[in-house]
Amino acid sequence: KAGVTQTPRYLIKTRGQQVTLSCSPISGHRSVSWYQQTPGQGLQFLFEYFSETQRNKGNFPGRFSGRQFSNSRSEMNVSTLELGDSALYLCASSLGDSHYEQYFGPGTRLTVT
Amino acid sequence: QKEVEQDPGPLSVPEGAIVSLNCTYSNSAFQYFMWYRQYSRKGPELLMYTYSSGNKEDGRFTAQVDKSSKYISLFIRDSQPSDSATYLCAMRRQAGTALIFGKGTTLSVSS
Repeated sequence: KAGVTQTPRYLIKTRGQQVTLSCSPISGHRSVSWYQQTPGQGLQFLFEYFSETQRNKGNFPGRFSGRQFSNSRSEMNVSTLELGDSALYLCASSLGDSHYEQYFGPGTRLTVT
Repeated sequence: QKEVEQDPGPLSVPEGAIVSLNCTYSNSAFQYFMWYRQYSRKGPELLMYTYSSGNKEDGRFTAQVDKSSKYISLFIRDSQPSDSATYLCAMRRQAGTALIFGKGTTLSVSS
């Protein structure tokens, strides 16, 4: 079974631009979560989607948003990029409600200049 | 106080050693505990998953949860150079809640 895939793997953007990252979960998984990983803060939870609905949201500004499609694929968008948004963005999927293990993709490395 | 504390290391051991990795947490509502391994430039890989208190063993890996002390551990027996990675503990209260991570411990196993 294929794992979680994320595209693109690497991205360089300029401050003020916006960016969209994509995540395809493991087949059959209905929950997708997004995380930001930086050397200083570690892995921080952004949001979780389950059956196209945002179920939970971390403590990030409104510039960070996401959505989930009917096939469980998910996208996250960051508008008005700041230098501090440079990070590894990780997507994780899980089966759903009663399943707690999350499986991560390889991440998208975003650099904001 | 952060919800989950983890010593960042680095931890350096010789091949064959027993490694002990630990996390403490402050939220007594956490019930589900996980350990992930992350190699450089890769996403975290799920190693162990446990519910509530107790031990769980999988090959060379043993996970322990002591909810009374709010303390979890991961033991690696017969450590190998391929175990060199960053190990992250993670925990959550229930389905639909955020998975909270420690900052990770960097382990280096020398041959």
